[in-house]
Amino acid sequence: GAVVSQHPSRVICKSGTSVKIECRSLDFQATTMFWYRQFPKQSLMLMATSNEGSKATYEQGVEKDKFLINHASLTLSTLTVTSAHPEDSSFYICSARSAYSYEQYFGPGTRLTVT
Amino acid sequence: AQKITQTQPGMFVQEKEAVTLDCTYDTSDPSYGLFWYKQPSSGEMIFLIYQGSYDQQNATEGRYSLNFQKARKSANLVISASQLGDSAMYFCAMREGRGFGNEKLTFGTGTRLTIIP
Repeated sequence: GAVVSQHPSRVICKSGTSVKIECRSLDFQATTMFWYRQFPKQSLMLMATSNEGSKATYEQGVEKDKFLINHASLTLSTLTVTSAHPEDSSFYICSARSAYSYEQYFGPGTRLTVT
Repeated sequence: AQKITQTQPGMFVQEKEAVTLDCTYDTSDPSYGLFWYKQPSSGEMIFLIYQGSYDQQNATEGRYSLNFQKARKSANLVISASQLGDSAMYFCAMREGRGFGNEKLTFGTGTRLTIIP
């Protein structure tokens, strides 16, 4: 149980375009989802926390207009990177938590490359 | 100050030997939780073990155990009888506070473990 999927697993896009990444909890209802960013050979940095039905809470230094997060249902959260630039190239990982557990279950990650 | 410190950027260990990965943390909150995750080259984060600040005993999960020394604020991961499949990045993470809404995780910089056959 407690499976989280992400789609796509890899995406290459041109500079200036927008990219949407989906995070789904497959077998539980995720009241809270988290979006992390990981640069090569570095640690995970939390970008934002989203609760179903409400606006996401962004970490300091993360542009909310650039990284749009929508948590429209208990099983789906989306991260849209708007007007992507090469410096947005990174590994994006989501995690999800149910209402009944502190534990976060991580998705497999999405590798974004902006050319 | 760093909340989670992992001082070993890389380690090489002979197969079948035990290995200890260091983690120290910094918090003034009496309620917190400590996690260890494994990240293989494929990228997914695999949960290994959890220790709560009020847990009396050190956590164990199969070959993984957590050497929790509260006074020293350390939470080292011990892997017994290492296997080639243990080669990966290992991250220590902390959640501060109790209750929902305090579940944000802060990660350390990680340790790259390589098991030598």
